[in-house]
Formats: sequence, C-alpha cells, structure tokens
Amino acid sequence: RKEVEQDPGPFNVPEGATVAFNCTYSNSASQSFFWYRQDCRKEPKLLMSVYSSGNEDGRFTAQLNRASQYISLLIRDSKLSDSATYLCVVNFGSQGNLIFGKGTKLSVKP
Amino acid sequence: DAGVIQSPRHEVTEMGQEVTLRCKPISGHDYLFWYRQTMMRGLELLIYFNNNVPIDDSGMPEDRFSAKMPNASFSTLKIQPSEPRDSAVYFCASSAGARYGYTFGSGTRLTVV
Repeated sequence: RKEVEQDPGPFNVPEGATVAFNCTYSNSASQSFFWYRQDCRKEPKLLMSVYSSGNEDGRFTAQLNRASQYISLLIRDSKLSDSATYLCVVNFGSQGNLIFGKGTKLSVKP
Repeated sequence: DAGVIQSPRHEVTEMGQEVTLRCKPISGHDYLFWYRQTMMRGLELLIYFNNNVPIDDSGMPEDRFSAKMPNASFSTLKIQPSEPRDSAVYFCASSAGARYGYTFGSGTRLTVV
C-alpha cells in the first residue's frame, strides 16, 4: 500500500461548483496533516493544516478521519483561480518527515 | 522574510558536466530538505538536514549526487557527472518542525542534454 494515496484526477468542474478530494494514508501513527497547493511550474505552497476536529478557512474545509486513515478537502463555490494541483501531506516516522501524495489536479472552467 | 531562496532558477547543462544547486533556508528553521519533482514520480525526498547535519539521505539516487550544509544559512546539492535522466525540478524546503509544515523555494529547473 502506498504511503499517501490520492486520486490524480483531473477533476473538471464549472465555476461555483463544490468539489471534494480525499486522501488515504498508511501510517496510523501519523500526527501532522496538511493540504498543499501547487500551481503549474510553481512550488508547492501550504494551503491549510488539518486538525482532528476539522477546520475551515473561507471556502475551504479540511477533515480528518483517523479511524479510516483519510483526510479530505472540500472547496465550495469554486473559482477559476482554484485551478491547481492539490497535494495531500502526512508526517511519517519518529523524525516527522512529511510525505507528499502525488496530487489531485483540479481544473475549474468558466 | 524573503522565504527560501534557490539558485539558479534554470540550468541547462550537457551530460557529464557538474551541476551545483544552491539553497538559503528561512532564518531560524532547523530543517532543510532537498526534493526532486518529475511528472512520473511526483515529489521525491532526496535528503534532509537537521541543524546542518544530514539525517536521511536514503533518497539520494546514487553516488553522483551529494549534498552539504556547511552552515545554517546555506546548502548545496551537487550532481557529478550529470545525466539526462537527472532532468527535473529540484526544490529546497525548510521547516521549524514537521507540525509546522514546510516552506518551499521556487525550485531549480534542471535540463541535462
């Protein structure tokens, strides 16, 4: 089983749509979870951390399900500028290395 | 803060040449990471340092790759000799600890012809 798995997409959605991404991770001892965003030919940038209680930042909501070992990202009212690749990130091991998923590509169309 | 600074932004070199990539982490970050990204393999961790000491270099492809961190504000990744399959984007990232996430530099796009 891969350490961090994501559906690669692409997810093609119209402006204003709600879209959700899921990600599964293999290490039940993981403690830190993040969603990163990567635009074409740019570096990954931290979008939001994911907390056990779930958290929201504007149109973005992140959820963590430890029992099933998955995290999710919900984007409401999609904008053209949301088009990017979204990377699921989880820490592994005692050193706390972050492992990056391969990303889910989102394309928001007018 | 200027963020993580990498140089050069682009590098085109001929097979067999030595390539040196440079990184300046964010001041105060104790961890520094070198990643390689390709379409096929995604983001791969090559090596990381904690307090200038290499902790895990198991991702370094082979002996042609070496990395150093002589002080808290500078690191290099060297490829000697370079090969076409080394063509990729190389990112440097720094962190105050895993629970804070990583901050990436803009990357170096390496093309070996």
